[in-house]
Amino acid sequence: AQSVTQLGSHVSVSEGALVLLRCNYSSSVPPYLFWYVQYPNQGLQLLLKYTSAATLVKGINGFEAEFKKSETSFHLTKPSAHMSDAAEYFCAVPLGSSASKIIFGSGTRLSIRP
Amino acid sequence: SQTIHQWPATLVQPVGSPLSLECTVEGTSNPNLYWYRQAAGRGLQLLFYSVGIGQISSEVPQNLSASRPQDRQFILSSKKLLLSDSGFYLCAWAGQGLDTQYFGPGTRLTVL
Repeated sequence: AQSVTQLGSHVSVSEGALVLLRCNYSSSVPPYLFWYVQYPNQGLQLLLKYTSAATLVKGINGFEAEFKKSETSFHLTKPSAHMSDAAEYFCAVPLGSSASKIIFGSGTRLSIRP
Repeated sequence: SQTIHQWPATLVQPVGSPLSLECTVEGTSNPNLYWYRQAAGRGLQLLFYSVGIGQISSEVPQNLSASRPQDRQFILSSKKLLLSDSGFYLCAWAGQGLDTQYFGPGTRLTVL
C-alpha cells in the first residue's frame, strides 16, 4: 500500500538560508503528491501539488518541489527562508488513483532562526 | 470560489458531555467531505468521509459519529465525550475531480 515518509520531525534553519524538507513515497508512481503547510492553530493550506504534467512544481510563498522517480522522492525547497515560513509541513499521497483518500506524512516542523 | 467553514473554533467540554461540530462548504456541489483529527504532536487521522447525503464511511472505530444531512454540511457528533477525544478537528472537501483535498480552519476541542 502507498505510504509517505518525512525525514526529520524538526528542521531549523537561519533566516535567508536554504530550506529543504524531505518526503519519500513508498511504491508505484502516484497520480498526485501534495505538500501542505499548517500554521499554529490553523487548518492545512495547499502549498503545491504534483501531477504528471511536470516534475518541478512551483507553489505559493516561493516554495517548489521536484518529483524524482528514481529516488521515490518529492522534497520541498525554498532558496531563502523567511521568518513567516515557520510552520508544520505535511507531505501527502493518494491511496489510489484519485485524491478521494490521501495519506499524510507525520509532518516536519520548520523553525527559522533570526 | 469555494470556501469551507467550521464552528466553533474552540470548545472546552467536560467528560461525558455531548459534542456537535459543524462543517459547511460553499461554492461547490456534491463534494466529498472528510473529518480528520490531529492529536497534539501527531499527524492527521482520517475519521470519516462522505461521498453524498446520508453516506458515511467510518475509518476508525471510536466514540464519534458523523452525519451529512445536506449536500454541503457535515457534522461530527458524540453522545459522551472522553478525555482522549481532545484534539484539533479538521474538515476537508474534495471536488468531483477528486484531485485535491481542501481544509477548513479547524476546531480545537479540549475535554476536561
